Amino acid sequence: AQKITQTQPGMFVQEKEAVTLDCTYDTSDQSYGLFWYKQPSSGEMIFLIYQGSYDEQNATEGRYSLNFQKARKSANLVISASQLGDSAMYFCAMREGRDTGGFKTIFGAGTRLFVKA
Amino acid sequence: NAGVMQNPRHLVRRRGQEARLRCSPVKGHSHVYWYRQLPEEGLKFMVYLQKENIIDESGMPKERFSAEFPKEGPSILRIQQVVRGDSAAYFCASSPGPTDTQYFGPGTRLTVL
Repeated sequence: AQKITQTQPGMFVQEKEAVTLDCTYDTSDQSYGLFWYKQPSSGEMIFLIYQGSYDEQNATEGRYSLNFQKARKSANLVISASQLGDSAMYFCAMREGRDTGGFKTIFGAGTRLFVKA
Repeated sequence: NAGVMQNPRHLVRRRGQEARLRCSPVKGHSHVYWYRQLPEEGLKFMVYLQKENIIDESGMPKERFSAEFPKEGPSILRIQQVVRGDSAAYFCASSPGPTDTQYFGPGTRLTVL
């Protein structure tokens, strides 16, 4: 069964430093998509970055990059030059692939990031 | 360029009442997804709809919950005879196609008294 695991319930990082949020996944699909979303205290879900299972290059979006290691089934999010506004909950998610015939997205439990001034 | 819109943002119901949550997808998106988030937890998939069709409802409780996405108008998630355990944030997301990135609305926070 598909599963997303985020092993860090909470993380602290100093402002302007980089931080890595871990995510591992389990799937038997060959084709799938991996996502990271940010949920600030206001509650909305903000899309950050996407990685397709067939993409050979790691995805990058501004200060966000996704360290995709397919053989290890990991999709860690790297935030460079942390800012106070990065303090939020971060969710890793995986969209089912065509192999299973479904397209629902499953989410990890989340990692709460605290950026210290 | 409006994103996904949900209303109401906050909804209070007494046990036994009905809750109706509305979701207007991004213009041009024909795929809608509903998720539920309990406090301090991740999002749990409930249902995936295309216009007028339910594609996957494997995450929907078998009783009291229903969803629709009519040809015209918003998608509706309906919860009948609400119980305290239904208190949660309900998020709607939309995408242009089934394999595209899903964009989320601001959520509806349901409180059952």
